[in-house]
Amino acid sequence: DVQLLESGGGLVQPGGSLRLSCAASGYTFSSSAMSWVRQAPGKGLEWVSSISGSGGSTYYSDSVKGRFTISRDNSKNTLYLQMNSLRVEDTAVYYCAKRGERAATEYYFDYWGQGTLVTVSS
Amino acid sequence: SYELTQPPSVSVSPGQTASITCSGDKLGNKYTYWYQQKPGQSPVLVIYQDTKRPSGIPERFSGSNSGNTATLTISGTQAMDEADYYCQAWDSNTVVFGGGTKLTVL
Repeated sequence: DVQLLESGGGLVQPGGSLRLSCAASGYTFSSSAMSWVRQAPGKGLEWVSSISGSGGSTYYSDSVKGRFTISRDNSKNTLYLQMNSLRVEDTAVYYCAKRGERAATEYYFDYWGQGTLVTVSS
Repeated sequence: SYELTQPPSVSVSPGQTASITCSGDKLGNKYTYWYQQKPGQSPVLVIYQDTKRPSGIPERFSGSNSGNTATLTISGTQAMDEADYYCQAWDSNTVVFGGGTKLTVL
């Protein structure tokens, strides 16, 4: 079974940094693109960033571009999100999600982790 | 930037058919995906590529997409279907989600 397990969330002050991790198992990690999607308390889903299976292609939402960096270590089956210059509005549950296999070039998500809460507050 | 619009809420009686719409410019030219999210849980994919159901998703869930509107239809709605539903598309190397629709079964 595919499993995605996020970690690294917590309380951080505005302007601070945090690195999230997502440990994947149950499939060939390097073959699948991955993404981060967040959900602010009581709000809808917001896409954050995506990365190809090799790590050679990355995509970011305008709201995090220049502040967040997505990366992966295929030898460790782990996805990362380095978050710098954090703002109060970055407060959310952050989910990692595996790209669905039926798409040729676009992204959708067939498996999601349980999420990790990031709270940005002074 | 591309936008997807959903109604904030939809109500349906048990056993009836619920329809949740998702609107976007020329959305019919893209694939639409649908996710179900129950309180305190992670989203679950219920429809991919407009009309296809992943393994394990009940047959009462179906989808369509034409023109500017994609629709998620739940036939014979059950109490367990009460949840938030999100549509999603891919545009210009960007994942776009709709704002979500709260489905109430009453």
